[in-house]
Amino acid sequence: GAVVSQHPSRVICKSGTSVKIECRSLDFQATTMFWYRQFPKKSLMLMATSNEGSKATYEQGVEKDKFLINHASLTLSTLTVTSAHPEDSSFYICSAQRSGSGRNIQYFGAGTRLSVL
Amino acid sequence: ILNVEQSPQSLHVQEGDSTNFTCSFPSSNFYALHWYRWETAKSPEALFVMTLNGDEKKKGRISATLNTKEGYSYLYIKGSQPEDSATYLCAFSTNAGKSTFGDGTTLTVKP
Repeated sequence: GAVVSQHPSRVICKSGTSVKIECRSLDFQATTMFWYRQFPKKSLMLMATSNEGSKATYEQGVEKDKFLINHASLTLSTLTVTSAHPEDSSFYICSAQRSGSGRNIQYFGAGTRLSVL
Repeated sequence: ILNVEQSPQSLHVQEGDSTNFTCSFPSSNFYALHWYRWETAKSPEALFVMTLNGDEKKKGRISATLNTKEGYSYLYIKGSQPEDSATYLCAFSTNAGKSTFGDGTTLTVKP
């Protein structure tokens, strides 16, 4: 159990367009989901914490108007990169925590490679 | 800003060798320390979660230890196999729920 599906796995878009990435917990309910960005050869950088039914909590330096997060149900969170620019090209990955579980174990999607031309 | 450091950054070993790597983390406000294994083109997978000073966890040939007082954890792999090749991430969390990840140690096991 504890499968997280992230879609799409790869997206190429033109500068100025918006891109939506979905993160779904397939076999469990996730009160909390996280969105990370990974730069080459670097760690997973937390962008925001997404809680079902409430506004996301963004980390310092992450533009909330640029990276829109919606967590409308216990199994789905979406990240929309608005008006994407080449500097937004990166690897984005989501994770989910089981509702009621302890010790903050995260179950990850496989990530999305975004390339903005 | 919480600093989680992993060393070495990368490691190449021969099949059958045993190896270990380190994760260091802040020793204050400790809640849990996680190890994840991330194979290429797959999702990171939770290996261990450790919460108590002195904890030791084992899964097959892989084991981990935890020292919360000095702020480090070791991951050991006994008799490395090519399928152990992956990036191993550690993550430190306070009670706030979110985790801070290290940069990872990339292990390559040569047949």
